[in-house]
Amino acid sequence: AQSVAQPEDQVNVAEGNPLTVKCTYSVSGNPYLFWYVQYPNRGLQFLLKYITGDNLVKGSYGFEAEFNKSQTSFHLKKPSALVSDSALYFCAVRDLRNNAGNMLTFGGGTRLMVKP
Amino acid sequence: EPEVTQTPSHQVTQMGQEVILRCVPISNHLYFYWYRQILGQKVEFLVSFYNNEISEKSEIFDDQFSVERPDGSNFTLKIRSTKLEDSAMYFCALRDYSYNEQFFGPGTRLTVL
Repeated sequence: AQSVAQPEDQVNVAEGNPLTVKCTYSVSGNPYLFWYVQYPNRGLQFLLKYITGDNLVKGSYGFEAEFNKSQTSFHLKKPSALVSDSALYFCAVRDLRNNAGNMLTFGGGTRLMVKP
Repeated sequence: EPEVTQTPSHQVTQMGQEVILRCVPISNHLYFYWYRQILGQKVEFLVSFYNNEISEKSEIFDDQFSVERPDGSNFTLKIRSTKLEDSAMYFCALRDYSYNEQFFGPGTRLTVL
């Protein structure tokens, strides 16, 4: 069975500072990894993905994430946080061995609060 | 990026009533999904739908739930007899061969009284 852990319920960071939102995963096969962001009363918006290739992937709004196979992690990062980045962030995994419906398994979410 | 709309945005119903939630993809897609998010909890997979049939479902998706794509466009989730614990945000998602990621609709908030 696949699972995702986001160990921090909330991350607080000052505007202009770098931010990291942590994610670790567990799958039987090779993973596809994703980050989504959810703003209040909105749906899930795709940020970035890791499929194969470079371990550092870049996505929307200046976000990036680093895939670390040995640590089974996929932490989300941004060099300089904006107040508008404040939202709920979800990490998700898809196990490549699960090729029937390609379901995503989500972490519990991390609320990012960026203060001016 | 594919667009997805969902109707209604908010549905209030009495326990035991049937509800139908609709997902309208703007363009044609191959894989369709329903997820739900109970307030304050994680997003949970319900069901995936491919080639006009269910390809995978979770333990949550019991006999009270059904999905169909009746007109080749709208993708619906039906809950036959709603329970209080069905209150949640329900998200439709879709994917095609061009993408590995799933694109989510804005969600329907279901409130069961």
